[in-house]
Amino acid sequence: AQSVTQLDSQVPVFEEAPVELRCNYSSSVSVYLFWYVQYPNQGLQLLLKYLSGSTLVKGINGFEAEFNKSQTSFHLRKPSVHISDTAEYFCAVSVSNAGNNRKLIWGLGTSLAVNP
Amino acid sequence: DVKVTQSSRYLVKRTGEKVFLECVQDMDHENMFWYRQDPGLGLRLIYFSYDVKMKEKGDIPEGYSVSREKKERFSLILESASTNQTSMYLCASRAGVGYTFGSGTRLTVV
Repeated sequence: AQSVTQLDSQVPVFEEAPVELRCNYSSSVSVYLFWYVQYPNQGLQLLLKYLSGSTLVKGINGFEAEFNKSQTSFHLRKPSVHISDTAEYFCAVSVSNAGNNRKLIWGLGTSLAVNP
Repeated sequence: DVKVTQSSRYLVKRTGEKVFLECVQDMDHENMFWYRQDPGLGLRLIYFSYDVKMKEKGDIPEGYSVSREKKERFSLILESASTNQTSMYLCASRAGVGYTFGSGTRLTVV
């Protein structure tokens, strides 16, 4: 079965430091990759997505992610974080399903805590 | 921008009550989804619908049903609420590959 692993459940970091949130997925022929952010008591908001083309994807709020097919990874990075980046971050992978449908598989989330 | 609206942010219901969670999207998306989110378990798919009056079970459909009478509205129904259904419920709609989420309904069953 397909799976998505977010290797860190919690990442504490100081303000203005760089951060990397790691995401690995089990191999599939055709995948689309997503990162979503969830601020406290809110729904999920799309940060960025990889569908095809350049493996370096830039998203909102200064985040970027790199698709690495050989390592089946899609790590999220930001060179300098702010207090306002404190949130839960979810990696998700869209894979082909039976009947040419697609299914979204979610990681369990990484809680990013930015400290002053 | 697509907007997905969940009618209630917070709900408190009693055990055994029938509970309706409503979700409306304004961009004519065919696909709609209901997830529940619990600490340590991430997002789990309850039901989804790819067209009016069509529904498919997700990974954890037990104890839930859904209704999609109109394209823009997708309702989640808890036939007889139980305390283990206390959770955050998230509705989403999709066109193509992108999902848009509502703000969530935090349901507490007492």
